[in-house]
Amino acid sequence: DTAVSQTPKYLVTQMGNDKSIKCEQNLGHDTMYWYKQDSKKFLKIMFSYNNKELIINETVPNRFSPKSPDKAHLNLHINSLELGDSAVYFCASSLNGPSESYEQYFGPGTRLTVT
Amino acid sequence: AQTVTQSQPEMSVQEAETVTLSCTYDTSESDYYLFWYKQPPSRQMILVIRQEAYKQQNATENRFSVNFQKAAKSFSLKISDSQLGDAAMYFCALGGANSKLTFGKGITLSVRP
Repeated sequence: DTAVSQTPKYLVTQMGNDKSIKCEQNLGHDTMYWYKQDSKKFLKIMFSYNNKELIINETVPNRFSPKSPDKAHLNLHINSLELGDSAVYFCASSLNGPSESYEQYFGPGTRLTVT
Repeated sequence: AQTVTQSQPEMSVQEAETVTLSCTYDTSESDYYLFWYKQPPSRQMILVIRQEAYKQQNATENRFSVNFQKAAKSFSLKISDSQLGDAAMYFCALGGANSKLTFGKGITLSVRP
């Protein structure tokens, strides 16, 4: 009955590799997000999709490419991984609109370690 | 631009006592929402409480309540009857129609038995 799921939960890889993180939500939400939490625990928005359309892209290097095949899925592909990409990546979803509260539900996070 | 400031990096509270975590924010939007999220060592982000800016009444969820001062742009979280399970990192967050959450730096709360 997981509301927002991410795979994998842990990812260890070498510099220069390409990797993907998958996210799925079964809440019927229309908006999905990717956040990055750095080593100091600071959380920052990366991307947001509403009904498969990109609505937020926060000055993220173009090595990061989100893809939303449908409104229940938002995947994150990272090319040419760098040491500085090591972080925890959170997927989240919400139901947005004039009568909604914009409350976001988070996945369990993916800890990415680049060696 | 939206900003959220949590100036205290860490706090400690005795079990069963009350603690207040501070947060201030800034936004130019008139319609916005404020949240407190809890992140225990498991790293799962858990919503603790939500406040709609247009509501004057402070939100309450069991032992958790907020003191929302809109004019002062202040949004503090009060935890009553603290329990060992409350030990975690707490993040204040600001959201709205632009669909993104802006987080503060977080505060680490420890609970002494």
